[in-house]
Amino acid sequence: AQKVTQAQTEISVVEKEDVTLDCVYETRDTTYYLFWYKQPPSGELVFLIRRNSFDEQNEISGRYSWNFQKSTSSFNFTITASQVVDSAVYFCALRPNSGYSTLTFGKGTMLLVSP
Amino acid sequence: DTEVTQTPKHLVMGMTNKKSLKCEQHMGHRAMYWYKQKAKKPPELMFVYSYEKLSINESVPSRFSPECPNSSLLNLHLHALQPEDSALYLCASSQTVEGGRGQYFGPGTRLTVT
Repeated sequence: AQKVTQAQTEISVVEKEDVTLDCVYETRDTTYYLFWYKQPPSGELVFLIRRNSFDEQNEISGRYSWNFQKSTSSFNFTITASQVVDSAVYFCALRPNSGYSTLTFGKGTMLLVSP
Repeated sequence: DTEVTQTPKHLVMGMTNKKSLKCEQHMGHRAMYWYKQKAKKPPELMFVYSYEKLSINESVPSRFSPECPNSSLLNLHLHALQPEDSALYLCASSQTVEGGRGQYFGPGTRLTVT
């Protein structure tokens, strides 16, 4: 069985602060994929990143960066110099690399960035 | 084009009505999904279609009836819903069900059952 834990229910920051969203997962599969999605108030789930369990390289995309640590089963997401438009609910998700592509989502972290 | 479209954006229906939600993608994806999302909760998987065939039904009540007329379209037919069915209904697609490239989601339909 898979489990994804996002312990932070809600985070409030002021614009330009850096913020890290935590994601810890449990799986018995040896290969799997990890994802981050952003859901702004409009409702659409926006795909941000996919990480294969074989690939432990960290990734940076503009103000976003992801730290994948297999040893601690964590896949944390950092936003540098946050902006008001970053306000959204962020979901971490896990999918085993076997069988059907069913995503296991964490409960989400609501990020509020105030001006 | 990495877009999944859904119509309508909002829907209000009574408990005796019959309505349908529509989802369309033109990315050539062969897997399509319906999710239900209640406020402040993650999406919950309802149905999975693979190559236009229903492959997963997560014990969804029969008042929800999915249909996949072709590889680009996915419908969700609604009948005799309950107020607790009010939620955001999200459609998603992926290259294949087995593929790991991730699912692309549509903007959702906000359904209110009165």
